[in-house]
Amino acid sequence: EVQLVQSGAEVKKPGESLKISCKGSGFTFTSYWIAWVRQMPGRGLEWMAMIYPSDSDTRYSPTFRHQVTISADKSSSTAYLQWSSLKASDTAMYYCARPLYSGNDYGLIAYWGQGTLVTVSS
Amino acid sequence: DIQMTQSPSSLSASVGDRVTITCQASQDISIYLNWYQQKPGKAPKLLIYDTSSLRTGVPSRFSGSGSGTDFTFTISSLQPEDIATYYCQQYDNLPLTFGGGTKVEIK
Repeated sequence: EVQLVQSGAEVKKPGESLKISCKGSGFTFTSYWIAWVRQMPGRGLEWMAMIYPSDSDTRYSPTFRHQVTISADKSSSTAYLQWSSLKASDTAMYYCARPLYSGNDYGLIAYWGQGTLVTVSS
Repeated sequence: DIQMTQSPSSLSASVGDRVTITCQASQDISIYLNWYQQKPGKAPKLLIYDTSSLRTGVPSRFSGSGSGTDFTFTISSLQPEDIATYYCQQYDNLPLTFGGGTKVEIK
């Protein structure tokens, strides 16, 4: 069974750093792009970025390119999303997700983690 | 970026009604269009991909059509468990982009 299990909710102050995780199981982690999707409170879905763990190839949305960094550890089948300096506007639910198909067929986002709620408040 | 415009933003219908949601892309995306269902407090669920292909296990009352810039998502007979927000998403170009969502409620 394909599973993406994300790290728990975080409460941080503005200016702090943060790294959240997404551990994949039930599939060959290095064969699938892993994407990150933001959902701000009461708002829609925004695709942020994706990584191909096999070679750490990354693609970012221009909106998020200089705001976050994504990475992956093949040995632990875990993907990461990190911030160096959080802002209140980063408060959101963050989902990791995997496409239906392996390889370069990254557009059909079929499997989702449970989400990690990040709250940034002074 | 390709902009995806969904309408309506919300709708209220009775059980058994036919429900239609439209999605318009800012440029030709061929058939590279997916539809997701998101229930409150849950992650989105892929229902339809490639405009009209039903994902395995998804009830046949859900369907999709269209091509190019104009797409339609239909629930042929609304059920109480269909209460959710529905999103379209294009994957013709990066960045992947979603429509603003349509919240479906029971009248």
